[in-house]
Amino acid sequence: DAGVIQSPRHEVTEMGQEVTLRCKPISGHDYLFWYRQTMMRGLELLIYFNNNVPIDDSGMPEDRFSAKMPNASFSTLKIQPSEPRDSAVYFCASSRRTGGNTGELFFGEGSRLTVL
Amino acid sequence: AQSVAQPEDQVNVAEGNPLTVKCTYSVSGNPYLFWYVQYPNRGLQFLLKYITGDNLVKGSYGFEAEFNKSQTSFHLKKPSALVSDSALYFCALMDSNYQLIWGAGTKLIIKP
Repeated sequence: DAGVIQSPRHEVTEMGQEVTLRCKPISGHDYLFWYRQTMMRGLELLIYFNNNVPIDDSGMPEDRFSAKMPNASFSTLKIQPSEPRDSAVYFCASSRRTGGNTGELFFGEGSRLTVL
Repeated sequence: AQSVAQPEDQVNVAEGNPLTVKCTYSVSGNPYLFWYVQYPNRGLQFLLKYITGDNLVKGSYGFEAEFNKSQTSFHLKKPSALVSDSALYFCALMDSNYQLIWGAGTKLIIKP
């Protein structure tokens, strides 16, 4: 399996622009998570989906952030408009909650966002 | 309230020496505990977990962790450190919704 695939790996944009981050989870996984990692705040859970349905978006910082999962193999995290404080590494992770697999998340390589 | 703490921001160990990265937790009921590792510019990778059973859990890359209920700890250990073990290590606790509560991370530096 190719693992969790994220794109782009790096994005540099200017304040006010729209940013879209993409994620392809591991086939067969029914949970998908979006995390943000910064030096100041560490690892933060933004939102997670179960079977393509958003379950908890309480970690989404503002209305400027939105996430969708139109099908089991694709999810997007959108920031519109972007601000410099959104600069971070955004991770997508997936998991399958069956038997002994509970709690084992598989992370993508991350998308490093820089907003100027 | 459920929580997990990693009391050390950074741990320095000489290559070949044993290493310990500390983790303590707070939870009512039985804890499900995890360790993940993050190498530079990479995503997190699962190392090992404790669900039930033997207090000494073995994981990837020669790592093991010791669950201690009386001390509410789950320290990560390795008998002989390698330079390649240098990375950021995260302890995590599963909450009642089956989601992970993450520690702040500990940077492990192994010096040759």
